[in-house]
Amino acid sequence: SQTIHQWPATLVQPVGSPLSLECTVEGTSNPNLYWYRQAAGRGLQLLFYSVGIGQISSEVPQNLSASRPQDRQFILSSKKLLLSDSGFYLCAWQGASYRRDTFGSGTRLTVV
Amino acid sequence: TQLLEQSPQFLSIQEGENLTVYCNSSSVFSSLQWYRQEPGEGPVLLVTVVTGGEVKKLKRLTFQFGDARKDSSLHITAAQPGDTGLYLCAGGTNSGYALNFGKGTSLLVTP
Repeated sequence: SQTIHQWPATLVQPVGSPLSLECTVEGTSNPNLYWYRQAAGRGLQLLFYSVGIGQISSEVPQNLSASRPQDRQFILSSKKLLLSDSGFYLCAWQGASYRRDTFGSGTRLTVV
Repeated sequence: TQLLEQSPQFLSIQEGENLTVYCNSSSVFSSLQWYRQEPGEGPVLLVTVVTGGEVKKLKRLTFQFGDARKDSSLHITAAQPGDTGLYLCAGGTNSGYALNFGKGTSLLVTP
């Protein structure tokens, strides 16, 4: 069965520090991968998606970037965090034959 | 970007009551998903509907996709405290990869 791993679960970082959040998927190949941000337990904002290795599409211009170095690995990064980057970050994958997203358990990022 | 409006935003009811939450859009979707999310966790998929007029039942939850595939509803019968959470709808189209999410309905069921 397919599983998705996301870490860390919580992170407190100072303003101006770098960020690296990792997401890996098991049990599937060539998935579409997504990074979302959720503010205050409300709707999800799509940040990036990837349909293949090295292919990244950005939905919202901002202080973040994403990379997909391997088929089942998706990384969210920042060189210098801002206070406004605080939030709940969710990774998700979507199989080729199903229009649905399966989510990781999320990372709560607090920038101080 | 197609907008999905969910209503109500917040709902607080007592155990045993029935409720309906709505997900509306002016756009047509090829599929629509409902998720439930608990605090500090990722959303969990409840159902996917793809056919206009489709009705799916999951125990006490009934999901309906509008005939025109622009709207959907979720009805919960005899709500229980375990139903508490954030209910999110999300629509997919054939022209894009990503889902469009509504802002969610936050449900609280008290004993």
